[in-house]
Amino acid sequence: GAVVSQHPSWVICKSGTSVKIECRSLDFQATTMFWYRQFPKQSLMLMATSNEGSKATYEQGVEKDKFLINHASLTLSTLTVTSAHPEDSSFYICSAPDTVDTQYFGPGTRLTVL
Amino acid sequence: DAKTTQPTSMDCAEGRAANLPCNHSTISGNEYVYWYRQIHSQGPQYIIHGLKNNETNEMASLIITEDRKSSTLILPHATLRDTAVYYCIVRVGGGNAGNMLTFGGGTRLMVKP
Repeated sequence: GAVVSQHPSWVICKSGTSVKIECRSLDFQATTMFWYRQFPKQSLMLMATSNEGSKATYEQGVEKDKFLINHASLTLSTLTVTSAHPEDSSFYICSAPDTVDTQYFGPGTRLTVL
Repeated sequence: DAKTTQPTSMDCAEGRAANLPCNHSTISGNEYVYWYRQIHSQGPQYIIHGLKNNETNEMASLIITEDRKSSTLILPHATLRDTAVYYCIVRVGGGNAGNMLTFGGGTRLMVKP
């Protein structure tokens, strides 16, 4: 199947700093990518849809000014958590659909905000 | 997307078949059944999907009832590495990249020695 990578796999930062997470489709192009967040013992929750060449679409309750998304190319989307606080600590996962619309997920990024 | 219902947890003996059920009684004619699994602290892994015919690949088999209101994912010879949360998701498929996946609670499968 198709491969999606994320970087970094884990990050620890101080409260108030910003953190950038990259999501790459390695062997296919994706005009759309999705960002999810998962808290301990919970299911994945969609945060936003990243669209190449246009603005991201955010789910209700997700602050677009806090979670900045940039879909710079057909193989790269970035999520920046601005002014991170401890409550933003979570497991962030991206996904991208391949040419037959099967979604493939990255390995996830564990963010810990101190 | 149609809502799905799965048991919260299941156990399976190593080497035996694991049969994971999923109910999707409100599924529409153009909605596919997708199965993903998530091993602890990893991103979800695609397993298999189907529309109405049974499907098989190197990982699993998917059996969809004739009325499409339920399905079963079969892992023919479960191993300890198959311990994971299994998600059954119903969504419109076939080329519309704008359709995201909506995750429910899934089934926590525990494969025991």
